[in-house]
Amino acid sequence: DVKVTQSSRYLVKRTGEKVFLECVQDMDHENMFWYRQDPGLGLRLIYFSYDVKMKEKGDIPEGYSVSREKKERFSLILESASTNQTSMYLCASLTSGSSYNEQFFGPGTRLTVL
Amino acid sequence: GQNIDQPTEMTATEGAIVQINCTYQTSGFNGLFWYQQHAGEAPTFLSYNVLDGLEEKGRFSSFLSRSKGYSYLLLKELQMKDSASYLCAVRAPKAAGNKLTFGGGTRVLVKP
Repeated sequence: DVKVTQSSRYLVKRTGEKVFLECVQDMDHENMFWYRQDPGLGLRLIYFSYDVKMKEKGDIPEGYSVSREKKERFSLILESASTNQTSMYLCASLTSGSSYNEQFFGPGTRLTVL
Repeated sequence: GQNIDQPTEMTATEGAIVQINCTYQTSGFNGLFWYQQHAGEAPTFLSYNVLDGLEEKGRFSSFLSRSKGYSYLLLKELQMKDSASYLCAVRAPKAAGNKLTFGGGTRVLVKP
């Protein structure tokens, strides 16, 4: 059974705090992604990584950074959390190995910044 | 740039058929995905089209026309559990990181 796990389902933080969201996949996938999902705006790509130590900006990278030290783990970092970063955060992974690539999602982390 | 459009909301009756349309204008195309997402849960994969035509999978079918930048998801014999959001997503080529760009999602409400 394929698995993408995220460190927390619910998280409450205060403005200005540093926040780490962790994502781990056990499928040996090369590509990993971080999205946020907000009502009326859909899923928006924050950052993605196609290899260890590689990272690329998505559509809305401002206020975020990422880390990919190991193939199975992709971390999203909010250096100084702000209230407009209250959202559902979804991690995903997929393989590059074939022409058919299903992107698997983690369960999501609902972050509230007070 | 990427632009993906789908209706915001649709309502249908249990047992009926609903067709969710998705149109896209993207700078590169390497396949189109449909995902189902129940409230508060992560999206789950429904279908993948990379060539033109219809792909059927049980009660769900997906169609793609690359020349028209158009896809639809067809849900047959609707059940109450099909009430969910349906997300259309276009995949970029491998050189662009295989990343998916999502539409805003279509919320489908199935009524008895």
